[in-house]
Amino acid sequence: DAGITQSPRYKITETGRQVTLMCHQTWSHSYMFWYRQDLGHGLRLIYYSAAADITDKGEVPDGYVVSRSKTENFPLTLESATRSQTSVYFCASSESPGTRYETQYFGPGTRLLVL
Amino acid sequence: AQTVTQSQPEMSVQEAETVTLSCTYDTSENNYYLFWYKQPPSRQMILVIRQEAYKQQNATENRFSVNFQKAAKSFSLKISDSQLGDTAMYFCAFGVNNDMRFGAGTRLTVKP
Repeated sequence: DAGITQSPRYKITETGRQVTLMCHQTWSHSYMFWYRQDLGHGLRLIYYSAAADITDKGEVPDGYVVSRSKTENFPLTLESATRSQTSVYFCASSESPGTRYETQYFGPGTRLLVL
Repeated sequence: AQTVTQSQPEMSVQEAETVTLSCTYDTSENNYYLFWYKQPPSRQMILVIRQEAYKQQNATENRFSVNFQKAAKSFSLKISDSQLGDTAMYFCAFGVNNDMRFGAGTRLTVKP
């Protein structure tokens, strides 16, 4: 059981380039999330998705785009990367039936360096 | 907006002893969830324990327990019989309506 995977695990890019980080989960969880982790800030929510074709902004969405055409995939795109987007990115998923908030399970993270 | 504060950037404890990590939060919501996540050097985020705000009883998971004080908006984590493998960053998190907010973390070192 693969659970939740992210690719690539490490990425170096240059300012202005487009970068896509992939996230795939095998649990058929309804909800998926993208976070960034920076020193002194813990994790901050970028975007989340309640189901295929349903996405919503989190705390820090500027400069990012997401899509969810399939339940199991939730790619995060940096359309024009900036140095401030250098960070570790975590994908997470959860099952959230009704209004009950469920535990989020995290992928291994992607380290992104923007030069 | 919900905020989560972890006032202890770093802590250390001797192996086999007990340590308590602090967490406070601010919210106007009444129904929410609280979590402690562990992040070892591998960077994997691992759920340690969770607490539903509507439950008065404190959650426990083996050596891990919480002290949940809803009125004070406090959610501390107690680790008993600390082990070397407990060395990690610990994040307190608050969740409501699919919005999860994390504290800045406490780096815990267990010394032999």
